[in-house]
Amino acid sequence: DVQMTQSPSSLSASVGDRVTISCRANQSLTDFLNWYQKKPGKAPNLLIFGATTLHSGVPSRFSGSGSGTDFTLTIDGLQPEDFATYLCQQSFTSPWTFGHGTKVDMK
Amino acid sequence: EEQLVESGGGLMQPGGSLRLSCAASGFTVSGNHMTWVRQAPGKGLEWVSTIYIPEITDYADSVKGRFAISRDTIKNTLYLQMRSLRPEDTALYYCARIVLGSGYAMDVWGQGTTVTVSS
Repeated sequence: DVQMTQSPSSLSASVGDRVTISCRANQSLTDFLNWYQKKPGKAPNLLIFGATTLHSGVPSRFSGSGSGTDFTLTIDGLQPEDFATYLCQQSFTSPWTFGHGTKVDMK
Repeated sequence: EEQLVESGGGLMQPGGSLRLSCAASGFTVSGNHMTWVRQAPGKGLEWVSTIYIPEITDYADSVKGRFAISRDTIKNTLYLQMRSLRPEDTALYYCARIVLGSGYAMDVWGQGTTVTVSS
């Protein structure tokens, strides 16, 4: 199975900050990498698919980059509603696997 | 509004069977790849099963041979038939739609239904 490693596991930030979250795979995914936001008690919310494509309705402060094994999610100008856990997921090969998440909380 | 609503979860004894349902509205389950994902207590998300267009299915090794994914086009509902349940199947089960042309990203999710397997 493809192992997905996210870093950091948690971070503290303030409204307006630029936040970057890393996701690394133990094999190449080309660009089959997706990012989700998850809040407690809620289902995941798709942010980015194909490593870089912003899902419809997602604010433009979210962006994704990377290919192969190294990927980054950037939030440019953190908003109060962005405090949440962010997960990466590979859909390159079965079984699809998720990272363990990066929790973004308030500094 | 595009929506998924799961049902059918509950408390089951090991070895038991359960069928989860996922009713769709605002789109058709027959026109989309659909998937089940679960989250065990205190753990991360785990992909369980996918049904593609056409009717090709795929399963995680942990459930292969015990779970079966299917859909009813008339009822517009996705199912997960679970047999030979084990304590490690205890989880919140989500159904989700896979965005066509997205490289298999999941864009519409249900709220989840809880399965507890315990004696």
